[in-house]
Amino acid sequence: RKEVEQDPGPFNVPEGATVAFNCTYSNSASQSFFWYRQDCRKEPKLLMSVYSSGNEDGRFTAQLNRASQYISLLIRDSKLSDSATYLCVVKVLTGGGNKLTFGTGTQLKVEL
Amino acid sequence: GAGVSQSPSNKVTEKGKDVELRCDPISGHTALYWYRQSLGQGLEFLIYFQGNSAPDKSGLPSDRFSAERTGGSVSTLTIQRTQQEDSAVYLCASSSRQRGAGEQYFGPGTRLTVT
Repeated sequence: RKEVEQDPGPFNVPEGATVAFNCTYSNSASQSFFWYRQDCRKEPKLLMSVYSSGNEDGRFTAQLNRASQYISLLIRDSKLSDSATYLCVVKVLTGGGNKLTFGTGTQLKVEL
Repeated sequence: GAGVSQSPSNKVTEKGKDVELRCDPISGHTALYWYRQSLGQGLEFLIYFQGNSAPDKSGLPSDRFSAERTGGSVSTLTIQRTQQEDSAVYLCASSSRQRGAGEQYFGPGTRLTVT
């Protein structure tokens, strides 16, 4: 089983739609959680951290369910510019320091 | 300010040759990470540096892979006797210890093709 699992998609949605991505993680010792965004043939960039109480940044809302080891990202009023791959990321403290494990990503395509 | 830079941006090499990939992290960032990403795959962790030491080398796929970091800054990833399965984009990231490893700043990557 992969440490971080995501539906690869693609999710094809019309502009203005609301879309949700889910992610599950296997390591119950995971400490922190993030969503990164990766545009085609570009490097990943941090989109937002995910807090236990849930958090919102503009049109983006992230949720964490530690009991179910489940993370979600909701995008409202999607824009063409939201088209990208969204990576679910989990941080674990190991003997070697903090380690981030990346999911394989969920591809989003927003269409006119 | 300047972000993470990597060189070369593209490298084509013949099977069996050695290659060196370079990463210049953001100035002042003490943590440095190497990943690789194959076509359609997620990021695969290779090695982590804190300063010049590498407390986590667990992701290096074989002894053909090695990395070093000098002066707490520039890092070099070396692949010896390259194989076709080494073809991938090699990404470097850095982070400030004070902010923890959550926000990592990535370089544009080196696209390695082994023919």
